[in-house]
Amino acid sequence: DGGITQSPKYLFRKEGQNVTLSCEQNLNHDAMYWYRQDPGQGLRLIYYSQIVNDFQKGDIAEGYSVSREKKESFPLTVTSAQKNPTAFYLCASGSSGTDTQYFGPGTRLTVL
Amino acid sequence: AQSVTQPDIHITVSEGASLELRCNYSYGATPYLFWYVQSPGQGLQLLLKYFSGDTLVQGIKGFEAEFKRSQSSFNLRKPSVHWSDAAEYFCAVGGGSTDSWGKFQFGAGTQVVVTP
Repeated sequence: DGGITQSPKYLFRKEGQNVTLSCEQNLNHDAMYWYRQDPGQGLRLIYYSQIVNDFQKGDIAEGYSVSREKKESFPLTVTSAQKNPTAFYLCASGSSGTDTQYFGPGTRLTVL
Repeated sequence: AQSVTQPDIHITVSEGASLELRCNYSYGATPYLFWYVQSPGQGLQLLLKYFSGDTLVQGIKGFEAEFKRSQSSFNLRKPSVHWSDAAEYFCAVGGGSTDSWGKFQFGAGTQVVVTP
């Protein structure tokens, strides 16, 4: 089955710890994205990557970091510098030029 | 800058009744427009999209949307809702230009509740 997988589905961490969220796709898409979703605020773009070994900051990149070493993978690290990390995180991917984005099932991060 | 407004935060509709969700956008060029649906705790599923051509777009699950450039709107409709349509719906706008490639703006969402 082609698709986007995110793991884990639920993640709990203590305050001050870094945590890495996984996103993998087997759709052969060039572009990948990370969004944060909070109640009543829609989706906000954290980082995006249009090609391997390249990525750009989105609207709320502070306190987050990413890497894109492989086409299939785009992990997101939530660092201790992120002031309010508890949220639902969504990964998406899309083919170059079509602009349609397809989403993974999401990871709910809770920082205690 | 591009932006999307979904004026209705919450809509309650009876099963079998029609549904219309509003979406207004602001964008300098011809927009790419999308509607997504999200069930609780899940990712977003694409319902339909508009890039160009016929302004009435058919999607999955019996949904359709109409692009009206003069009103900067892309409203989503379904003639007869089913209990399984209860979910949150997001309108999104993106652009085909190099500068805005892949950068979507999402509305805040409309929560749809379906009553028996």
